[in-house]
Amino acid sequence: AQSVTQLDSQVPVFEEAPVELRCNYSSSVSVYLFWYVQYPNQGLQLLLKYLSGSTLVESINGFEAEFNKSQTSFHLRKPSVHISDTAEYFCAVSDLGSYIPTFGRGTSLIVHP
Amino acid sequence: DTGVSQDPRHKITKRGQNVTFRCDPISEHNRLYWYRQTLGQGPEFLTYFQNEAQLEKSRLLSDRFSAERPKGSFSTLEIQRTEQGDSAMYLCASSLENSPLHFGNGTRLTVT
Repeated sequence: AQSVTQLDSQVPVFEEAPVELRCNYSSSVSVYLFWYVQYPNQGLQLLLKYLSGSTLVESINGFEAEFNKSQTSFHLRKPSVHISDTAEYFCAVSDLGSYIPTFGRGTSLIVHP
Repeated sequence: DTGVSQDPRHKITKRGQNVTFRCDPISEHNRLYWYRQTLGQGPEFLTYFQNEAQLEKSRLLSDRFSAERPKGSFSTLEIQRTEQGDSAMYLCASSLENSPLHFGNGTRLTVT
């Protein structure tokens, strides 16, 4: 079974600074990878996904993540964060053909003015 | 797309009581999932359905837990003889086959 490690439980950052949220998963077999975001008092929303093809995937609100198979990582980055990016971010992975995502414990991104 | 709907939003119950939660998925989605999330943790998989068939259950799903999806549309999750350790957010999600999950806002269970 897959396991997902999100190395930072909390990441404080100032507005307009860059940020990286780290995610590593356990297996080197073919996988699907996801980042979900949970804003306060809301449900989880898909932020971006890697299914196949280009290893760099982007979201509509400026986040990007790069699939690195050799390092089994899928780190999330944004060059300049906004206050509104304050939320809990979850990395998830599923084996090809399974589509039952296993989630990490989450990283709380706190953006300060 | 009206989203995944869960009812109730909050449930407070006494230890030993039975509770039932309902999930209405996005209408065209054939897969439905239940997850549990406790404070400071990510969602943990409980079970999933493809149409009305329950295809996989986690070891987390003890004998006190049962889930149904009788007509391949809405689903219910019942917990019998609740324990304090059952206190958590119960999340429902739905998807098309081989597509990302869409989550509801969850049902928060508090067992006193």
